[in-house]
Amino acid sequence: QVQLQESGPGLVKPSETLSLSCTVSGGSISSYYWSWIRQPPGKGLEWIGYIYYSGSTNYNPSLKSRVTISVDTSKNQFSLRLRSVTAADTALYYCARLRVGLVGTTGIYYFDYWGQGTLVTVSS
Amino acid sequence: DVQMTQSPSSLSASVGDRVTITCRASQSISNYLNWYQQKPGKAPKLLIYAASSLQSGVPSRFSGSGSGTDFTLTISSLQPEDFATYYCQQSYSTLFTFGGGTKVEIK
Repeated sequence: QVQLQESGPGLVKPSETLSLSCTVSGGSISSYYWSWIRQPPGKGLEWIGYIYYSGSTNYNPSLKSRVTISVDTSKNQFSLRLRSVTAADTALYYCARLRVGLVGTTGIYYFDYWGQGTLVTVSS
Repeated sequence: DVQMTQSPSSLSASVGDRVTITCRASQSISNYLNWYQQKPGKAPKLLIYAASSLQSGVPSRFSGSGSGTDFTLTISSLQPEDFATYYCQQSYSTLFTFGGGTKVEIK
């Protein structure tokens, strides 16, 4: 059973960089896409970006100028860096596996495994 | 961006009720639509992918339908463990977007 676990500081100061890691266990990080998704308290879900195990990335344009997602296959980990944070970046941050499933001959992306989430608060 | 709109935003229902949640896309997304269930303090859980394919281990009382712009998640007989918030998500565009959620509460 694949498990994901987020780790990183729970409090970040405004204008600084938010850094989180996600450790994957119970399976290899290879051959899959891996993603970050966030949820402000009491609100809905926002996709941040994804990385393929080979290192190719795709980011939400609304965050692209501030986001970097990287992968370390030797550690079975991937990471999120979000620069120049403000209070609006306060959220529960989830890491998730992005699966490409085949339905007939069509490939469809969906998030099939999620971490438990980690709350990051931006405050001085 | 493909905007996803869910309705209603919340509903009250009793155990045993048939519940239907609707999700509408701002443009046609074929069947590139997934549904998730989120309980308080927990991560979302995949229920349905590709509009109507049931994820392994998900009870058969959950079903999905639709194509194009209009989609439905149906719970045929609501169980106590089904009280949660449900989200749709499109993957037609790789700028993935979620609906605003539908909270299913106990009547």
